[in-house]
Amino acid sequence: QKEVEQDPGPLSVPEGAIVSLNCTYSNSAFQYFMWYRQYSRKGPELLMYTYSSGNKEDGRFTAQVDKSSKYISLFIRDSQPSDSATYLCAMRSNSGGSNYKLTFGKGTLLTVNP
Amino acid sequence: NAGVTQTPKFQVLKTGQSMTLQCAQDMNHEYMSWYRQDPGMGLRLIHYSVGAGITDQGEVPNGYNVSRSTTEDFPLRLLSAAPSQTSVYFCASRKLNSGNTIYFGEGSWLTVV
Repeated sequence: QKEVEQDPGPLSVPEGAIVSLNCTYSNSAFQYFMWYRQYSRKGPELLMYTYSSGNKEDGRFTAQVDKSSKYISLFIRDSQPSDSATYLCAMRSNSGGSNYKLTFGKGTLLTVNP
Repeated sequence: NAGVTQTPKFQVLKTGQSMTLQCAQDMNHEYMSWYRQDPGMGLRLIHYSVGAGITDQGEVPNGYNVSRSTTEDFPLRLLSAAPSQTSVYFCASRKLNSGNTIYFGEGSWLTVV
């Protein structure tokens, strides 16, 4: 079992739809959870991060972490064509050498159709 | 604002050739790293460094060397390129003990024939 699992999609939705992206993980030491957005032929950029369990909201984006289920989600409300990108989840622990390493999911390709 | 700068952006190598991918950051970040990104495999950590003179292996270090002689630079060396090293390479950096924002470069597309 890989440490982080993410459905690669592709996911295609109409403009204005609510999008749900998610990842599962197996390492209970993970404490920091991040979502990156990557446009085609560009480097990933940090969208949101959450420490431990709970929700975090930023505009149209909401990140949720459920550590008991080892499950994280990213919700996009009122999706726009400009949200079309690959979304990668990433996570790391808070201890020792593992503190430095980010483990990424494979990414989900999202297309929002006008 | 330069951020993380990678060169070259595109490169074609023959099997057995050597080359160095350059990475520089101007944000005084202690942590720098190299990832490769392949279809269906996601981003995989090759090597990382937490400061000048300190490097460590990531998930897929074989065939790659790194060094960190300055805070700003973290070059990735391929000593004898193989077709399996055809990939997109990303350099990334972040400030330790100060949040989680990791900044990525624009990527280097490498093809080994």
